[in-house]
Amino acid sequence: KAGVTQTPRYLIKTRGQQVTLSCSPISGHRSVSWYQQTPGQGLQFLFEYFSETQRNKGNFPGRFSGRQFSNSRSEMNVSTLELGDSALYLCASTPTTAASYNEQFFGPGTRLTVL
Amino acid sequence: AQSVTQLGSHVSVSEGALVLLRCNYSSSVPPYLFWYVQYPNQGLQLLLKYTSAATLVKGINGFEAEFKKSETSFHLTKPSAHMSDAAEYFCAVSDAGSARQLTFGSGTQLTVLP
Repeated sequence: KAGVTQTPRYLIKTRGQQVTLSCSPISGHRSVSWYQQTPGQGLQFLFEYFSETQRNKGNFPGRFSGRQFSNSRSEMNVSTLELGDSALYLCASTPTTAASYNEQFFGPGTRLTVL
Repeated sequence: AQSVTQLGSHVSVSEGALVLLRCNYSSSVPPYLFWYVQYPNQGLQLLLKYTSAATLVKGINGFEAEFKKSETSFHLTKPSAHMSDAAEYFCAVSDAGSARQLTFGSGTQLTVLP
């Protein structure tokens, strides 16, 4: 099976712009979670989507949003970018079998640099 | 609220020596615990997980971890370090009711010396 894919892998934006990141989960996985990784704050949970519905949200401002499509692909959007949004954004997908509940498979991430 | 503490942001061991990476957790409900490894410019790879079955969990690449409820610990060990083990290691916790939200520790950078 192909792993979790994220596009683009690298992105450079300027302050005030907006950005959309894409994540394709492993085939058959219906849950997609997003995390932000920075040197200062570490790995922080952004939100989780399951069957096109946001089920859980971390402590991030409303500038961070996401959605999930019927094929389980997910996008996250950051509006009005700030310098502090520079980070590695990781997407993870989860199987829906009981035996693998809560096990997350991570993609390679999108490295966002805000200038 | 859950939290994870990883003692030692940097650990160095000689090749062939024991690897011990420490993780303590705080959770108000029985936790699920995970160890992930991250190589440079890559995502996270699951090493092993504890989900309330056996307290000694074996993972990939020769790693294992022991869940000790009395100590609220889930330390990661490997009997003999290999150069390829050099990476950053993250301990994470979730509870059964919080869907797919992982709370991560701050990570431990493992250096393996020749």
